[in-house]
Amino acid sequence: QKEVEQDPGPLSVPEGAIVSLNCTYSNSAFQYFMWYRQYSRKGPELLMYTYSSGNKEDGRFTAQVDKSSKYISLFIRDSQPSDSATYLCAMEVTGGGNKLTFGTGTQLKVEL
Amino acid sequence: GAVVSQHPSWVICKSGTSVKIECRSLDFQATTMFWYRQFPKQSLMLMATSNEGSKATYEQGVEKDKFLINHASLTLSTLTVTSAHPEDSSFYICSARDSGGLSTEAFFGQGTRLTVV
Repeated sequence: QKEVEQDPGPLSVPEGAIVSLNCTYSNSAFQYFMWYRQYSRKGPELLMYTYSSGNKEDGRFTAQVDKSSKYISLFIRDSQPSDSATYLCAMEVTGGGNKLTFGTGTQLKVEL
Repeated sequence: GAVVSQHPSWVICKSGTSVKIECRSLDFQATTMFWYRQFPKQSLMLMATSNEGSKATYEQGVEKDKFLINHASLTLSTLTVTSAHPEDSSFYICSARDSGGLSTEAFFGQGTRLTVV
């Protein structure tokens, strides 16, 4: 079993839709949770960073963490074609030497 | 935000030759940098942790003699793929964190696409 599970997609939605991306994890030592966006042939860029259960909002993006269920989500409101990319969840253990464990990434396509 | 520059962005080399990839933190110092490998439609897999002034720490299954890492300064780490073979063709990405800052964000380079023919 992988430490972090993420549906690879692809996920196709119409413009303006609400997108829900999810990851589950098995290692209860993960304390920091991140969502990265990666465009084709580019390095990942950080979208959201959180370390506590609950919701964190930033513009059209909301990150949700449920540590009791070992489940994290990223919601994108009013999705745009420019949101089309691969979204990777990443997790880190406290005192883990700054190592990140990534999910496989979900490929998202927002269509006009 | 902080910038990590990776060079080259793509390279094609002949089987048996060596390729060097550079990772630079442009406006911050990084005592630790990370090298990842990404196959198509797969996640980033950590290869090694590069430590300034000391030996790199390799993940299980990564050949340290094949993937040479040098972190000679606080702003530069290099990954050399020695005696490259077609199976080494992949997307290599580095990341770094600001050692002197409060931010815990990991900044990523733009990646290097290596094709071995």
